[in-house]
Amino acid sequence: AQSVTQPDIHITVSEGASLELRCNYSYGATPYLFWYVQSPGQGLQLLLKYFSGDTLVQGIKGFEAEFKRSQSSFNLRKPSVHWSDAAEYFCAVNAGGYQKVTFGTGTKLQVIP
Amino acid sequence: DTAVSQTPKYLVTQMGNDKSIKCEQNLGHDTMYWYKQDSKKFLKIMFSYNNKELIINETVPNRFSPKSPDKAHLNLHINSLELGDSAVYFCASSQDSRSGNTIYFGEGSWLTVV
Repeated sequence: AQSVTQPDIHITVSEGASLELRCNYSYGATPYLFWYVQSPGQGLQLLLKYFSGDTLVQGIKGFEAEFKRSQSSFNLRKPSVHWSDAAEYFCAVNAGGYQKVTFGTGTKLQVIP
Repeated sequence: DTAVSQTPKYLVTQMGNDKSIKCEQNLGHDTMYWYKQDSKKFLKIMFSYNNKELIINETVPNRFSPKSPDKAHLNLHINSLELGDSAVYFCASSQDSRSGNTIYFGEGSWLTVV
């Protein structure tokens, strides 16, 4: 069965600092991997996704993620965080034939001035 | 225009009542979903429909019954509401049911059962 682990429940960074959110997945082969962002009171929005090919994926809002097969990881990064990036971030995996996506428990990002 | 819209956004109701949440997508997608997000932000799929046909039905109590009158609509009816049903319910859609498609979420319906 597929699963996703986000080890950090809550992360606080200063505005302008770099960010890395961790995500580890469990699946025998390479699954489809996603990062979604949820702003307070809103639904989830896709930041980026990985299927195959280049292991460094660029997304919206200046985010990128790197797939590392050897570590079963798909960490999300941003070189310089803005106050508007404060939100909940969800890593997700889909390894099945149908679109049955499993979400991680989320990482809440707080940005301080 | 909102791509995936759901109503109501907030719903407070008493235990034992029956309530419905409506969802519509104007993206022309074939596949729609209902997700439940609990108080700890854990997001779990409940149902998925593809062209009005049920394709995913997770372990959800029978009190929850989805209905898809057409592929642009997927409503969720809940009978005999319980305290544990309090959560945020998200409707979503994707182009089709194949793995890897981007899922587009509605803004959520906050259900509180008292």
